[in-house]
Amino acid sequence: DGGITQSPKYLFRKEGQNVTLSCEQNLNHDAMYWYRQDPGQGLRLIYYSQIVNDFQKGDIAEGYSVSREKKESFPLTVTSAQKNPTAFYLCASSPLGTSGANTGELFFGEGSRLTVL
Amino acid sequence: AQSVTQLDSQVPVFEEAPVELRCNYSSSVSVYLFWYVQYPNQGLQLLLKYLSGSTLVKGINGFEAEFNKSQTSFHLRKPSVHISDTAEYFCAVRYYGGSQGNLIFGKGTKLSVKP
Repeated sequence: DGGITQSPKYLFRKEGQNVTLSCEQNLNHDAMYWYRQDPGQGLRLIYYSQIVNDFQKGDIAEGYSVSREKKESFPLTVTSAQKNPTAFYLCASSPLGTSGANTGELFFGEGSRLTVL
Repeated sequence: AQSVTQLDSQVPVFEEAPVELRCNYSSSVSVYLFWYVQYPNQGLQLLLKYLSGSTLVKGINGFEAEFNKSQTSFHLRKPSVHISDTAEYFCAVRYYGGSQGNLIFGKGTKLSVKP
């Protein structure tokens, strides 16, 4: 089945440790995104990427890093510099429109819940 | 800054009653509009979208939304809800010509359907 796979679904981390969340898609989408979700705050964009080997910071990129070495994969690393990393993380992808403009429709993975102990 | 406002953070309703979840956005420029649904501990799923054309948009699970440009609104409606509609609903806006990744989400409305 085509879709987006995030792993792990649940992750516990000690303070000071870096962790990497995996996101893989087989939809052949060009664009991929990482969002952070906290209760009552909606979704906030961390990073996004339109093409391989290129990515852009979103609204809350501090303390996070990404890579896009393959079209199918967009892993997110939560570094020890992220002051409050406990959250639900969502990966998404989207096709680019024929004009190159993204209409905005996103396809989401099931999410990864990170808890810092 | 452009923004999306979901006017109700929580909406309790009895089963088989009608429901309206309200969404307003900040600018009257051309937009693409979306409603997503999120069930507990899951990702978001697209309910419906407005790109152009008819202002009344029908989506999955019996939901519909009406685009009102003059009021910059995109309210979501369902004439008769079911217990299974209990979830969180997000309105999202993309402005024409906006930069890649510029999909702006509201803070969500939790719909709770009671028997």
